[in-house]
Amino acid sequence: QVQLQESGPGLVKPSQTLSLTCTVSGGSISSDTYYWSWVRQPAGKGLEWIGRINASGSTRYNPSLESRVTMSADASKNQFYLKLRSVTAADTAVYYCAREHSTDWDLDYWGQGTLVTVSS
Amino acid sequence: DIQMTQSPSSLSASVGDGVTITCRASQGIRIDLGWYQHKPGQAPKRLIYAASNLQSGVPSRFSGSGSGTEFTLTISSLQPEDFATYFCLQHNSYPLTFGGGTKVEIK
Repeated sequence: QVQLQESGPGLVKPSQTLSLTCTVSGGSISSDTYYWSWVRQPAGKGLEWIGRINASGSTRYNPSLESRVTMSADASKNQFYLKLRSVTAADTAVYYCAREHSTDWDLDYWGQGTLVTVSS
Repeated sequence: DIQMTQSPSSLSASVGDGVTITCRASQGIRIDLGWYQHKPGQAPKRLIYAASNLQSGVPSRFSGSGSGTEFTLTISSLQPEDFATYFCLQHNSYPLTFGGGTKVEIK
């Protein structure tokens, strides 16, 4: 069974760049069957899909964040990454990575999430 | 963006009760909807895919129905391990969007 695990700094200063890694085990991110997504949830608020990438680097981002987001992937490490630039307190959230089916965009497996706080 | 309106936002119920949670889409999404269970500190777990298909390993007391704009998740007889937050996801069009969540608490 595939497992996903987020990692990265838990505290980021305002105006800096949030960087997270998702490590996938039990399956290869090189599979054409899947994309690899990021989702976030600010405390007390709903879930927001940030975007997705496949192993060949094809991306699609939520227009609400597109100007600040970059995703990348390293198939040799079976990892994919999120960078969010120019963060503010509004970017404080639990960030999840998830596997997305390439045919119907459904999310089946998720990581347990990592809290990132934006504060000076 | 497709808006997903989920109700109720919370409910209190007893072990053995049946509960129903609803998600309404702002436009038709066919059956491109999943239901998830989320417990604090854990990965969200998919219960239902394609609106009504039970994920492998998920107890049969969970069921989903609907198509188009209205969808329901039903738990036929709540068990202690079912107290959690439930949310829906539409994957008909980008950006993917979620219902606001329903917290199921013990009465």
